[in-house]
Amino acid sequence: DADVTQTPRNRITKTGKRIMLECSQTKGHDRMYWYRQDPGLGLRLIYYSFDVKDINKGEISDGYSVSRQAQAKFSLSLESAIPNQTALYFCATSDFLSNTGELFFGEGSRLTVL
Amino acid sequence: AQRVTQPEKLLSVFKGAPVELKCNYSYSGSPELFWYVQYSRQRLQLLLRHISRESIKGFTADLNKGETSFHLKKPFAQEEDSAMYYCALASYGGATNKLIFGTGTLLAVQP
Repeated sequence: DADVTQTPRNRITKTGKRIMLECSQTKGHDRMYWYRQDPGLGLRLIYYSFDVKDINKGEISDGYSVSRQAQAKFSLSLESAIPNQTALYFCATSDFLSNTGELFFGEGSRLTVL
Repeated sequence: AQRVTQPEKLLSVFKGAPVELKCNYSYSGSPELFWYVQYSRQRLQLLLRHISRESIKGFTADLNKGETSFHLKKPFAQEEDSAMYYCALASYGGATNKLIFGTGTLLAVQP
C-alpha cells in the first residue's frame, strides 16, 4: 500500500547529540515536508522540498537541516539537539499535478531531548 | 501575514449536540482552506476542503470571506468524532501548496 513511512518512531537522546529522522514515501509524490507538532502550537513547518534539487526553509528552520536524497526520501537532521526540540515530528507529501492541497502524513516520530 | 487562528484548545460537547469548531484566517489573496483531523493513534488526514463544498462524516464548513472564517459544523455530534481538528490555509507562491496550520482544537464528545 502506498504510504509515508517515518523512522524512528520514537527516540530519546541527550543534549548535543546529532539526530536524523528519515522519511520515505511510495506515493510517487514530488513534494515533501517536515512539520513539528507541539501542544498548544499546532503544526509548524520546518522545511519543504518540491523536488530533489529544491529545498526551502519553513517558519522554524533554525537548528534543523534537511536532505532530499531521492524523490522518495527526505531526511531531517538536528546537528546538535537541544531540549526545546522535544516534539512530535511529521513528514508529509503532496502531489503537484493533482494540486488539491491535500497533504499525506506519516505516523510521526516522537523525539525527546534530555 | 498569513495566519490561521483556532481560538478554542478544547471543545467538549455531549453526544447529539451541535458542534462548531471555529477557524479564522488572515490572507491577502484568494484563500483555499482545509480541515484536517487526527483521531487517536491515527495519522493526520484531510477531512474536507472548502472548494469541494462537500459534507464528510456529517461535517460541513463554509468559507465566509467577509468574516474571514471557515468554521467546521456538525448538527449532531457522535462519540467517534472525538479527535484533534486542525484548520489549514494553503499558501501559494509560485504554484506551491504549502499549508499553514492553526493550533488545533481538541473535540471531546461525551456519551
